[in-house]
Amino acid sequence: GENVEQHPSTLSVQEGDSAVIKCTYSDSASNYFPWYKQELGKRPQLIIDIRSNVGEKKDQRIAVTLNKTAKHFSLHITETQPEDSAVYFCAARPQGAQKLVFGQGTRLTINP
Amino acid sequence: DTAVSQTPKYLVTQMGNDKSIKCEQNLGHDTMYWYKQDSKKFLKIMFSYNNKELIINETVPNRFSPKSPDKAHLNLHINSLELGDSAVYFCASRGYAFYEQYFGPGTRLTVT
Repeated sequence: GENVEQHPSTLSVQEGDSAVIKCTYSDSASNYFPWYKQELGKRPQLIIDIRSNVGEKKDQRIAVTLNKTAKHFSLHITETQPEDSAVYFCAARPQGAQKLVFGQGTRLTINP
Repeated sequence: DTAVSQTPKYLVTQMGNDKSIKCEQNLGHDTMYWYKQDSKKFLKIMFSYNNKELIINETVPNRFSPKSPDKAHLNLHINSLELGDSAVYFCASRGYAFYEQYFGPGTRLTVT
């Protein structure tokens, strides 16, 4: 079955700098890759996603890139702000499956 | 007008008790999920229902029994609660032919 590895587990950056979180997946047939942000005590919220027929997607300060050959995808946050501090999860959807397989999460801290 | 709602938000109970968590979505989605998030924040899928039919049953003890009276509701009943059941339980839903999953606010279960 699909396995998703996420790195790093914790990340601390200065406000205004960029943050990058990386995930690798094992099933080459996976076709959908969302990113969720979970603030303390809150629900995971979808912030951006990408499908396997696209290499990059951007939404204001966040972007996701997908490398199907290497089976990895990354979340990029530019001009980080204190409100970006949260746990971020990547996930992959195996083709034909009706579930997401989540990475282990990255705790991002933005230092003022 | 909350999209995915859960009750209760907090549940504190003793070992050996039986408890239920309820989930409702008003998005018109066909598929609903239960996830368990442990103290290390790992999101693990437990069950999924599509139009009241069980489609995913991950390796979960049979003390856990989901029930979907209709496609807008998915409940989780837990028998003989154990200390290790302490976690946050999230409900989620997904629309037909869409990949995005939307999470409820979570139920924090504490077993003492």
